[in-house]
Amino acid sequence: DAGVIQSPRHEVTEMGQEVTLRCKPISGHNSLFWYRQTMMRGLELLIYFNNNVPIDDSGMPEDRFSAKMPNASFSTLKIQPSEPRDSAVYFCASRGTGWNSPLHFGNGTRLTVT
Amino acid sequence: AQKVTQAQTEISVVEKEDVTLDCVYETRDTTYYLFWYKQPPSGELVFLIRRNSFDEQNEISGRYSWNFQKSTSSFNFTITASQVVDSAVYFCALSKGSSNTGKLIFGQGTTLQVKP
Repeated sequence: DAGVIQSPRHEVTEMGQEVTLRCKPISGHNSLFWYRQTMMRGLELLIYFNNNVPIDDSGMPEDRFSAKMPNASFSTLKIQPSEPRDSAVYFCASRGTGWNSPLHFGNGTRLTVT
Repeated sequence: AQKVTQAQTEISVVEKEDVTLDCVYETRDTTYYLFWYKQPPSGELVFLIRRNSFDEQNEISGRYSWNFQKSTSSFNFTITASQVVDSAVYFCALSKGSSNTGKLIFGQGTTLQVKP
């Protein structure tokens, strides 16, 4: 079975540019999460969706960040405009409906903003 | 407040040695979930185990074992007869809230290096 699929794997962009990260969750999973990993702050939750609806976006750092989930099989995380401090690895994860379902992570997108 | 502490930043062992990774957590919830994830050099996060707060039975899976003790708020992970392929960063995590929503609080991770 295919796991969580993220694209691109690596993204290098210049400050001020728009960046869009993409995620395809595991088929049948109804919850989707975006996490960010940095050396300074470790792994932190940005936002999560349940049945395509954003439930908690309290971790989104600022208005430059936005996330959408137009359907059950696709989500995007957009940064506009990007800044060097946004450089990090961004992970998407999904979870099934069972109460004891674990979180399954994608391979991450390593973003570098110069 | 909820918090996960992995006091060991880096551990280096020689192959075939046993190694224990410590995890201490803080939460006011009476029901919570604890997790371990592995992040190999390739970067992905691999789920290893989930434990409910009401189940204190220790678990063994091959060379891996986990010791959950509510009295000391610890959820330690032991690798028996370590192998080079075990080299990775290991994260302990706590579910936020009283249900397994996937909102995880992660520790800072322990980097394990297994030398041949």
